Amino acid sequence: AQKVTQAQTEISVVEKEDVTLDCVYETRDTTYYLFWYKQPPSGELVFLIRRNSFDEQNEISGRYSWNFQKSTSSFNFTITASQVVDSAVYFCALSEPRQGGKLIFGQGTELSVKP
Amino acid sequence: GAVVSQHPSWVICKSGTSVKIECRSLDFQATTMFWYRQFPKQSLMLMATSNEGSKATYEQGVEKDKFLINHASLTLSTLTVTSAHPEDSSFYICSARTPGLSTDTQYFGPGTRLTVL
Repeated sequence: AQKVTQAQTEISVVEKEDVTLDCVYETRDTTYYLFWYKQPPSGELVFLIRRNSFDEQNEISGRYSWNFQKSTSSFNFTITASQVVDSAVYFCALSEPRQGGKLIFGQGTELSVKP
Repeated sequence: GAVVSQHPSWVICKSGTSVKIECRSLDFQATTMFWYRQFPKQSLMLMATSNEGSKATYEQGVEKDKFLINHASLTLSTLTVTSAHPEDSSFYICSARTPGLSTDTQYFGPGTRLTVL
């Protein structure tokens, strides 16, 4: 069965600290996609990244970086030099083409960045 | 690109009334739209998958007669909460998927906050 686990419910850091949000997934399929979304207090989900199961290359986008490791079924997200505007709930999600592309979300990690 | 809108952004209604929420893809055609519900401090739960021109597919435990979904065009899907009750109060979010390079990426609307009194 598909499952996404974000073990960290809440994280609080001080501005400029680095922070890593963990995501562990379960799937039986060999083809799948992993996502990270940001949900600020306004509620709208903001797409951050999509990664397919055949691409284990890590990715960096500005202060954001993602570490995909199939061996540990993890897709972790690191924010470098965090800022107050990074405060939000972050969701990791999994989709499988064989399941019609439905997104299975993790429980979310609420990140609070304090000045 | 890939903008999804929802209307209304919030609604308050009396118990027993019906509420319609619209989801539109503004700059692309969405063959598939999804409806999610999110309770406070919780994750998003998929309610149903809506394909243009066909009946929606509901997730287990979601009452199809209570949550009516219509996907009449490639840019519009509607969710009608019939005979709403206080327990239906939630944040409803739609997403749309576009065929093309990012076929498995869903773009989300801003959400509709429903409060049933």
